[in-house]
Amino acid sequence: GENVEQHPSTLSVQEGDSAVIKCTYSDSASNYFPWYKQELGKRPQLIIDIRSNVGEKKDQRIAVTLNKTAKHFSLHITETQPEDSAVYFCAATMLYSSASKIIFGSGTRLSIRP
Amino acid sequence: GAVVSQHPSWVICKSGTSVKIECRSLDFQATTMFWYRQFPKQSLMLMATSNEGSKATYEQGVEKDKFLINHASLTLSTLTVTSAHPEDSSFYICSAGRTGVNYEQYFGPGTRLTVT
Repeated sequence: GENVEQHPSTLSVQEGDSAVIKCTYSDSASNYFPWYKQELGKRPQLIIDIRSNVGEKKDQRIAVTLNKTAKHFSLHITETQPEDSAVYFCAATMLYSSASKIIFGSGTRLSIRP
Repeated sequence: GAVVSQHPSWVICKSGTSVKIECRSLDFQATTMFWYRQFPKQSLMLMATSNEGSKATYEQGVEKDKFLINHASLTLSTLTVTSAHPEDSSFYICSAGRTGVNYEQYFGPGTRLTVT
């Protein structure tokens, strides 16, 4: 089955700087890679996603890159703000229907220093 | 649209008792729902896949007789933790896949279970 590894487990950056979180996946059949932001005690929120036929996707300050050959994908947050502080999870799944299982990475606790 | 609710949001129960958690898709039909467990400062671990009208599929290491899942309709799945023990204390989150529409799963707000 799929296995997703995520690094780093914790990340502290100065406000205004960029943050990068990296993930690797094991199953070459995975073709959809969502990223979630989770605040304490709340549900995960989808912040950006990327499909395997795309190498990069950007949404304002957030971007995701995917290297299918290396089975790597990364989240980039630019111009970080205090409200970016949260736990971020990468995930991978093989899409064929809404019944696809999503496998989560271990999470990265991002702290933004004022 | 695409709202998923869970009930209760938190529950405290005594060791040995059973607790039922409901997951509802409020404005869409969900053939498939997923149940996750999240311990403090850890990731979401998939427990089982709940299929409407059929038996749930459990992940390796999850006791199906302890975590009973029922998906009786296209909008409701329930998770019953039987004979709960303190080590079952966790944050339980469901998600629902929207039938026939793309691939996004919509997460419920979670249920905090504390077993004393």
